[in-house]
Amino acid sequence: DAKTTQPNSMESNEEEPVHLPCNHSTISGTDYIHWYRQLPSQGPEYVIHGLTSNVNNRMASLAIAEDRKSSTLILHRATLRDAAVYYCIPALYGQNFVFGPGTRLSVLP
Amino acid sequence: EAGVTQFPSHSVIEKGQTVTLRCDPISGHDNLYWYRRVMGKEIKFLLHFVKESKQDESGMPNNRFLAERTGGTYSTLKVQPAELEDSGVYFCASSRDRGLGGANVLTFGAGSRLTVL
Repeated sequence: DAKTTQPNSMESNEEEPVHLPCNHSTISGTDYIHWYRQLPSQGPEYVIHGLTSNVNNRMASLAIAEDRKSSTLILHRATLRDAAVYYCIPALYGQNFVFGPGTRLSVLP
Repeated sequence: EAGVTQFPSHSVIEKGQTVTLRCDPISGHDNLYWYRRVMGKEIKFLLHFVKESKQDESGMPNNRFLAERTGGTYSTLKVQPAELEDSGVYFCASSRDRGLGGANVLTFGAGSRLTVL
């Protein structure tokens, strides 16, 4: 399994952009990079995933480094509801997700 | 579409008793997963069903845990007898298919919290 490194915690002000980094230097060429988040008292929730190109959806953007050893999840305008633990998960076809400790994001009003 | 439903949301039992957790996946999702988070630890994979077959049960901690998915619809996870270290939150997730190249998107339930006294 590819190992990931994420900051333990980050803070953001409401309405401002947030960049959540993830290092996955041991990622293989066929691992997708998934991001999930877990809001308080809920199960993990899918945010976004990508392979090589940057990706956008209604929730966030995912910027993947050219060498794929790191990626950044971008929340364009943080809201209080975005306060959660964010998990970066490299996923190889046929293997199950391995959750690390993630980054706890606090959003200040 | 209805999400992944788990029952009960919280169960409190004595050590040595039996508990059965249930998961109803999204209709049409062949893949069903169980994960758990015990106190202070990370979310860990338990097992994966494809329809009614166990595809991977490498994460099951010991033989006190039994998972079933009869008919390929809902799944149950039984803990018998429960021990103190089994306390935690048990999550179920489902997905339509594996996707290509690891592009598998899981939908998780809210979890079943188990407290063993």
